[in-house]
Amino acid sequence: GEDVEQSLFLSVREGDSSVINCTYTDSSSTYLYWYKQEPGAGLQLLTYIFSNMDMKQDQRLTVLLNKKDKHLSLRIADTQTGDSAIYFCAETPGGYQKVTFGTGTKLQVIP
Amino acid sequence: NAGVTQTPKFRVLKTGQSMTLLCAQDMNHEYMYWYRQDPGMGLRLIHYSVGEGTTAKGEVPDGYNVSRLKKQNFLLGLESAAPSQTSVYFCASSYTGTSGRGGSYNEQFFGPGTRLTVL
Repeated sequence: GEDVEQSLFLSVREGDSSVINCTYTDSSSTYLYWYKQEPGAGLQLLTYIFSNMDMKQDQRLTVLLNKKDKHLSLRIADTQTGDSAIYFCAETPGGYQKVTFGTGTKLQVIP
Repeated sequence: NAGVTQTPKFRVLKTGQSMTLLCAQDMNHEYMYWYRQDPGMGLRLIHYSVGEGTTAKGEVPDGYNVSRLKKQNFLLGLESAAPSQTSVYFCASSYTGTSGRGGSYNEQFFGPGTRLTVL
């Protein structure tokens, strides 16, 4: 089957903006999610967007959704060293019982 | 509240050995999941459960079995471990709900993971 795709690695300088991209598979997914995984820990929900929205802003985070292209992005403004982590996008294809995660993007923030 | 806990945190097995990973949650969630995380492959769903006494196969179920005898616990078993099962295993639980916008929401709460090495 198709995979939820993300680039594997992103490196940015502290204070710059980071943009992490994701291509998901199921246009019927009602909610789309971004999770953060810090080293040695499990994933934690960062933010989510409802499928009839184009954009959602939450402090330093901006989520953009392009349903036509099945493209989701996460922008982190003023990136800090504490933002270094792996970021996963996720969708709920075919309903809500199961969640499909992307391959994860490792964000490295250079001081 | 402890959230989602996993036991053990680390384990080394020899090929052919068996073991059980335990996941417990204290949030009264109906849904529970087992994933494995491998480099460059993200999280892949092994098995899941939508309620006490129920289980279902995920994306990569072969070589694993599960049981959900109590709502708060979800066990993952390896009957005959293979080196291909070397991975980090995560358990998650979730509630689902509908919002005023319609559709259903599934936020997953993860345990800290179990690092398993099969020699």
